[in-house]
Amino acid sequence: EAGVAQSPRYKIIEKRQSVAFWCNPISGHATLYWYQQILGQGPKLLIQFQNNGVVDDSQLPKDRFSAERLKGVDSTLKIQPAKLEDSAVYLCASSLEYRGNYEQYFGPGTRLTVT
Amino acid sequence: KQEVTQIPAALSVPEGENLVLNCSFTDSAIYNLQWFRQDPGKGLTSLLLIQSSQREQTSGRLNASLDKSSGRSTLYIAASQPGDSATYLCAVRLSGNQFYFGTGTSLTVIP
Repeated sequence: EAGVAQSPRYKIIEKRQSVAFWCNPISGHATLYWYQQILGQGPKLLIQFQNNGVVDDSQLPKDRFSAERLKGVDSTLKIQPAKLEDSAVYLCASSLEYRGNYEQYFGPGTRLTVT
Repeated sequence: KQEVTQIPAALSVPEGENLVLNCSFTDSAIYNLQWFRQDPGKGLTSLLLIQSSQREQTSGRLNASLDKSSGRSTLYIAASQPGDSATYLCAVRLSGNQFYFGTGTSLTVIP
């Protein structure tokens, strides 16, 4: 079974520039999550999708962050414009959410550096 | 708001030793609790998931316990090996699909 795929793995941009991350979840997983992990901290949930609908985006800074999952499979997370404090690892995860199986599977993450 | 705390923040043990990692949470109304392992520069690997109705889960040398009433979970690692060196994170899920992670315990197993 292929895991969660993310790209790019690394990205360096200047502040005020824009950036986009891509995630392909495990086949058949209806739920997709985007997390932000700042160095030394645990991951913080940014947004959760159930198929192509948003379940929770309460911690997403909507003035600069946006995310979509148009066909209920792949997802993109965008930051525009980026700030220095956005430097972090952005993790994508998916779960089956069926018959009590709520285990999350994570991708390798995208490490973003904003200079 | 749910607060998840992991103690200690860092732990160094000699190879072969048994060890316990701790995770505590403030809101006992959790749906499940999951333990993860994170290697440097990599994503999270799921180790064990405990549903709120369960008391423990075991996988190989790992055993995780859950005490909802006291807001605590422990991850027991038997006969530690250098390959166990990583950061261990616990995460709780509330019934409203809200997830909260701890800040992790960085484990070093010395050969």
